[in-house]
Amino acid sequence: ETGVTQSPTHLIKTRGQQVTLRCSSQSGHNTVSWYQQALGQGPQFIFQYYREEENGRGNFPPRFSGLQFPNYSSELNVNALELDDSALYLCASSLPPGQPYNEQFFGPGTRLTVL
Amino acid sequence: DAKTTQPNSMESNEEEPVHLPCNHSTISGTDYIHWYRQLPSQGPEYVIHGLTSNVNNRMASLAIAEDRKSSTLILHRATLRDAAVYYCIRGGSQGNLIFGKGTKLSVKP
Repeated sequence: ETGVTQSPTHLIKTRGQQVTLRCSSQSGHNTVSWYQQALGQGPQFIFQYYREEENGRGNFPPRFSGLQFPNYSSELNVNALELDDSALYLCASSLPPGQPYNEQFFGPGTRLTVL
Repeated sequence: DAKTTQPNSMESNEEEPVHLPCNHSTISGTDYIHWYRQLPSQGPEYVIHGLTSNVNNRMASLAIAEDRKSSTLILHRATLRDAAVYYCIRGGSQGNLIFGKGTKLSVKP
Protein backbone atom coordinates (compact mmCIF):
# COMPACT_ATOMS: atom_id res chain seq x y z
CA GLU A 1 0.00 0.00 0.00
CA THR A 2 1.51 3.33 -1.07
CA GLY A 3 1.02 6.29 1.25
CA VAL A 4 0.32 9.91 0.35
CA THR A 5 3.19 11.57 -1.46
CA GLN A 6 3.75 15.26 -2.18
CA SER A 7 6.12 17.16 -4.41
CA PRO A 8 8.23 19.16 -4.25
CA THR A 9 9.48 18.91 -0.66
CA HIS A 10 10.59 22.53 -0.52
CA LEU A 11 10.00 25.52 -2.77
CA ILE A 12 11.09 29.15 -2.77
CA LYS A 13 9.15 31.75 -4.75
CA THR A 14 8.95 35.53 -4.85
CA ARG A 15 5.92 37.73 -4.27
CA GLY A 16 3.55 37.84 -7.22
CA GLN A 17 4.64 34.53 -8.71
CA GLN A 18 2.46 31.46 -9.17
CA VAL A 19 3.09 27.99 -7.73
CA THR A 20 1.76 24.47 -8.30
CA LEU A 21 2.02 21.78 -5.64
CA ARG A 22 1.29 18.11 -6.32
CA CYS A 23 -0.18 15.25 -4.33
CA SER A 24 -0.67 11.55 -4.99
CA SER A 25 -3.34 9.96 -2.83
CA GLN A 26 -3.06 6.69 -0.96
CA SER A 27 -4.06 3.62 -2.93
CA GLY A 28 -7.85 3.18 -2.93
CA HIS A 29 -8.60 6.75 -1.84
CA ASN A 30 -10.54 9.01 -4.20
CA THR A 31 -10.91 12.11 -2.02
CA VAL A 32 -8.14 14.66 -1.51
CA SER A 33 -8.08 17.58 0.93
CA TRP A 34 -5.54 20.39 1.12
CA TYR A 35 -4.49 22.22 4.28
CA GLN A 36 -2.21 25.19 4.96
CA GLN A 37 -0.10 25.13 8.14
CA ALA A 38 1.61 28.37 9.17
CA LEU A 39 4.52 28.14 11.59
CA GLY A 40 3.34 27.31 15.11
CA GLN A 41 -0.29 26.87 14.07
CA GLY A 42 -2.53 23.93 13.34
CA PRO A 43 -3.41 23.09 9.72
CA GLN A 44 -6.22 25.12 8.15
CA PHE A 45 -8.58 23.57 5.58
CA ILE A 46 -8.26 25.00 2.07
CA PHE A 47 -10.52 22.73 0.01
CA GLN A 48 -11.45 19.14 -0.78
CA TYR A 49 -11.74 17.36 -4.14
CA TYR A 50 -13.93 14.36 -4.88
CA ARG A 51 -14.66 12.93 -8.32
CA GLU A 52 -12.54 15.67 -9.89
CA GLU A 53 -14.72 18.46 -8.48
CA GLU A 54 -14.34 20.80 -5.52
CA ASN A 55 -16.45 19.34 -2.73
CA GLY A 56 -15.94 21.90 0.02
CA ARG A 57 -13.85 24.98 0.68
CA GLY A 58 -12.44 26.82 3.67
CA ASN A 59 -11.90 30.54 4.10
CA PHE A 60 -9.30 31.02 1.36
CA PRO A 61 -9.43 33.50 -1.56
CA PRO A 62 -10.02 32.39 -5.18
CA ARG A 63 -6.33 32.68 -6.02
CA PHE A 64 -6.07 29.31 -4.26
CA SER A 65 -7.38 26.78 -6.75
CA GLY A 66 -7.07 23.08 -7.34
CA LEU A 67 -7.50 20.17 -9.67
CA GLN A 68 -8.09 16.47 -9.26
CA PHE A 69 -7.20 14.01 -12.01
CA PRO A 70 -8.86 10.71 -13.00
CA ASN A 71 -6.16 8.79 -11.08
CA TYR A 72 -7.22 10.80 -7.96
CA SER A 73 -3.97 12.74 -7.74
CA SER A 74 -4.37 16.46 -7.14
CA GLU A 75 -2.75 19.85 -7.62
CA LEU A 76 -2.94 23.00 -5.54
CA ASN A 77 -2.30 26.22 -7.45
CA VAL A 78 -1.68 29.56 -5.81
CA ASN A 79 -1.57 32.72 -7.94
CA ALA A 80 -0.17 36.14 -7.05
CA LEU A 81 1.82 34.82 -4.11
CA GLU A 82 1.94 36.92 -0.95
CA LEU A 83 4.45 36.78 1.90
CA ASP A 84 1.75 35.32 4.19
CA ASP A 85 1.41 32.33 1.88
CA SER A 86 4.68 31.02 3.31
CA ALA A 87 3.63 27.81 5.06
CA LEU A 88 3.64 24.03 5.02
CA TYR A 89 1.02 22.76 2.57
CA LEU A 90 -0.42 19.40 3.48
CA CYS A 91 -2.40 17.02 1.34
CA ALA A 92 -4.64 14.35 2.88
CA SER A 93 -6.45 11.51 1.17
CA SER A 94 -9.48 9.60 2.36
CA LEU A 95 -12.36 7.41 1.28
CA PRO A 96 -15.43 9.08 -0.33
CA PRO A 97 -17.38 11.61 1.72
CA GLY A 98 -20.42 10.39 3.59
CA GLN A 99 -18.80 7.47 5.39
CA PRO A 100 -19.76 7.03 9.08
CA TYR A 101 -16.13 7.82 9.86
CA ASN A 102 -13.43 8.88 7.46
CA GLU A 103 -9.81 8.85 8.58
CA GLN A 104 -7.58 11.26 6.68
CA PHE A 105 -4.08 10.17 5.70
CA PHE A 106 -1.64 13.05 5.41
CA GLY A 107 1.42 13.42 3.27
CA PRO A 108 4.68 14.95 4.58
CA GLY A 109 3.86 18.36 3.11
CA THR A 110 5.51 20.92 0.85
CA ARG A 111 7.32 23.79 2.56
CA LEU A 112 6.69 26.98 0.55
CA THR A 113 8.71 30.10 1.25
CA VAL A 114 7.67 33.38 -0.40
CA LEU A 115 10.32 36.11 -0.46
CA ASP B 1 -17.04 26.23 13.26
CA ALA B 2 -15.67 26.62 16.79
CA LYS B 3 -12.30 25.10 17.58
CA THR B 4 -11.38 23.00 20.57
CA THR B 5 -9.32 24.21 23.55
CA GLN B 6 -6.14 22.45 24.69
CA PRO B 7 -3.15 23.37 26.88
CA ASN B 8 -0.26 24.71 24.83
CA SER B 9 2.26 22.24 26.21
CA MET B 10 2.69 19.32 28.60
CA GLU B 11 5.63 17.30 29.88
CA SER B 12 5.83 13.65 30.76
CA ASN B 13 8.45 11.17 31.90
CA GLU B 14 9.20 8.14 29.77
CA GLU B 15 7.22 5.01 30.69
CA GLU B 16 4.59 7.02 32.60
CA PRO B 17 0.96 7.57 31.56
CA VAL B 18 -0.02 10.87 29.96
CA HIS B 19 -3.46 12.47 30.08
CA LEU B 20 -4.03 15.14 27.42
CA PRO B 21 -7.20 17.18 28.06
CA CYS B 22 -9.46 18.89 25.53
CA ASN B 23 -12.52 21.11 25.88
CA HIS B 24 -15.11 21.15 23.10
CA SER B 25 -18.12 22.73 24.79
CA THR B 26 -19.87 23.69 21.50
CA ILE B 27 -19.69 20.27 19.90
CA SER B 28 -22.94 19.06 18.37
CA GLY B 29 -24.52 15.71 19.13
CA THR B 30 -23.36 14.10 15.91
CA ASP B 31 -19.79 15.48 15.69
CA TYR B 32 -17.00 13.00 16.15
CA ILE B 33 -14.06 13.91 18.38
CA HIS B 34 -10.82 13.17 16.55
CA TRP B 35 -7.26 13.09 17.83
CA TYR B 36 -4.32 13.37 15.48
CA ARG B 37 -0.67 13.92 16.27
CA GLN B 38 2.12 15.54 14.30
CA LEU B 39 5.68 14.39 14.83
CA PRO B 40 8.47 16.81 13.91
CA SER B 41 8.84 17.33 10.14
CA GLN B 42 5.87 15.07 9.34
CA GLY B 43 2.22 15.44 8.41
CA PRO B 44 -0.45 14.74 11.05
CA GLU B 45 -1.33 11.12 11.72
CA TYR B 46 -4.53 9.63 13.09
CA VAL B 47 -4.53 8.53 16.74
CA ILE B 48 -8.11 7.78 17.74
CA HIS B 49 -11.69 9.02 17.42
CA GLY B 50 -14.94 8.68 19.34
CA LEU B 51 -18.52 9.83 19.54
CA THR B 52 -20.03 9.11 22.94
CA SER B 53 -18.40 6.17 24.67
CA ASN B 54 -14.78 5.59 25.67
CA VAL B 55 -12.55 4.07 22.99
CA ASN B 56 -9.34 2.05 23.03
CA ASN B 57 -6.91 1.14 20.27
CA ARG B 58 -3.29 0.04 20.04
CA MET B 59 -2.02 3.62 20.30
CA ALA B 60 -4.16 5.21 23.00
CA SER B 61 -7.45 5.45 24.87
CA LEU B 62 -10.04 8.19 24.58
CA ALA B 63 -12.23 9.09 27.55
CA ILE B 64 -15.25 11.23 26.63
CA ALA B 65 -17.22 13.10 29.28
CA GLU B 66 -20.84 12.15 29.64
CA ASP B 67 -21.96 15.63 28.48
CA ARG B 68 -19.44 15.44 25.57
CA LYS B 69 -18.07 18.88 26.39
CA SER B 70 -14.61 17.52 27.08
CA SER B 71 -12.42 14.51 26.42
CA THR B 72 -9.02 13.15 27.46
CA LEU B 73 -6.50 11.31 25.34
CA ILE B 74 -4.58 8.76 27.39
CA LEU B 75 -1.19 7.42 26.39
CA HIS B 76 -0.67 4.51 28.77
CA ARG B 77 3.14 4.47 28.70
CA ALA B 78 4.82 7.42 27.04
CA THR B 79 7.90 6.76 24.95
CA LEU B 80 10.37 9.23 23.47
CA ARG B 81 8.75 8.59 20.09
CA ASP B 82 5.45 9.96 21.44
CA ALA B 83 6.91 13.48 21.60
CA ALA B 84 4.69 15.41 19.18
CA VAL B 85 1.95 18.01 18.88
CA TYR B 86 -1.38 16.39 19.72
CA TYR B 87 -4.50 17.88 18.14
CA CYS B 88 -8.01 17.43 19.48
CA ILE B 89 -10.23 18.07 16.48
CA ARG B 90 -13.85 18.65 15.59
CA GLY B 91 -15.09 17.47 12.26
CA GLY B 92 -16.23 20.27 9.95
CA SER B 93 -19.49 20.39 8.05
CA GLN B 94 -17.62 19.78 4.78
CA GLY B 95 -15.93 16.58 5.89
CA ASN B 96 -12.83 18.54 6.84
CA LEU B 97 -10.89 18.57 10.09
CA ILE B 98 -10.86 21.78 12.16
CA PHE B 99 -7.49 21.99 13.89
CA GLY B 100 -6.60 24.24 16.81
CA LYS B 101 -3.03 24.86 17.95
CA GLY B 102 -2.75 21.54 19.75
CA THR B 103 -0.70 20.47 22.77
CA LYS B 104 3.04 20.04 22.39
CA LEU B 105 3.99 16.95 24.40
CA SER B 106 7.59 16.62 25.59
CA VAL B 107 8.77 13.26 26.94
CA LYS B 108 11.78 13.17 29.23
CA PRO B 109 13.97 10.06 29.50
